[in-house]
Amino acid sequence: QKEVEQNSGPLSVPEGAIASLNCTYSDRGSQSFFWYRQYSGKSPELIMSIYSNGDKEDGRFTAQLNKASQYVSLLIRDSQPSDSATYLCAVTGGGSYIPTFGRGTSLIVHP
Amino acid sequence: DGGITQSPKYLFRKEGQNVTLSCEQNLNHDAMYWYRQDPGQGLRLIYYSQIVNDFQKGDIAEGYSVSREKKESFPLTVTSAQKNPTAFYLCASRPDGGGNQPQHFGDGTRLSIL
Repeated sequence: QKEVEQNSGPLSVPEGAIASLNCTYSDRGSQSFFWYRQYSGKSPELIMSIYSNGDKEDGRFTAQLNKASQYVSLLIRDSQPSDSATYLCAVTGGGSYIPTFGRGTSLIVHP
Repeated sequence: DGGITQSPKYLFRKEGQNVTLSCEQNLNHDAMYWYRQDPGQGLRLIYYSQIVNDFQKGDIAEGYSVSREKKESFPLTVTSAQKNPTAFYLCASRPDGGGNQPQHFGDGTRLSIL
């Protein structure tokens, strides 16, 4: 059974700081990694995909993948109160193409 | 605009009643999924379909049923056998079931017991 682990939080950061969200996964064969943002009462929204080791940047978001250590992280630079949400990590591959989701990390950005 | 449409947004179920949640997509995606989300529980897979006329049970299929008669439609029925149906139900799709593309989600249906 594949497992995807996230710290449930809440992670509280001041406005303008860097928020760092982490995700570890159990299946070494995993190939695709996704970060979703979910506002309270809303559905998940894809914000980043990453498939190879290293960093991938998109605006204020950077995803970092380290397959040897089996973790993927999401950095949010210049955090804004509007970034306050739950961030879900999802992983696919390794013999199953059904995505496995972590339980999410709650992020609070305070002014 | 292409997307995934779930309806209704809110649904109430009476004791002993079956209810059906609608999910329609116009993205031409082969694979569709149903998830249930409870507070603090993350997303749990109910059923998925990788192609028309075929579907598979997920982790919590008991008390639910689905059909996939058309590529664009994947309705979920919550039967009276599901004793604790109150949850947020999310439908998702992606281009194909065997690839590495991300899922995209509809806006969800919130189901409550009357």
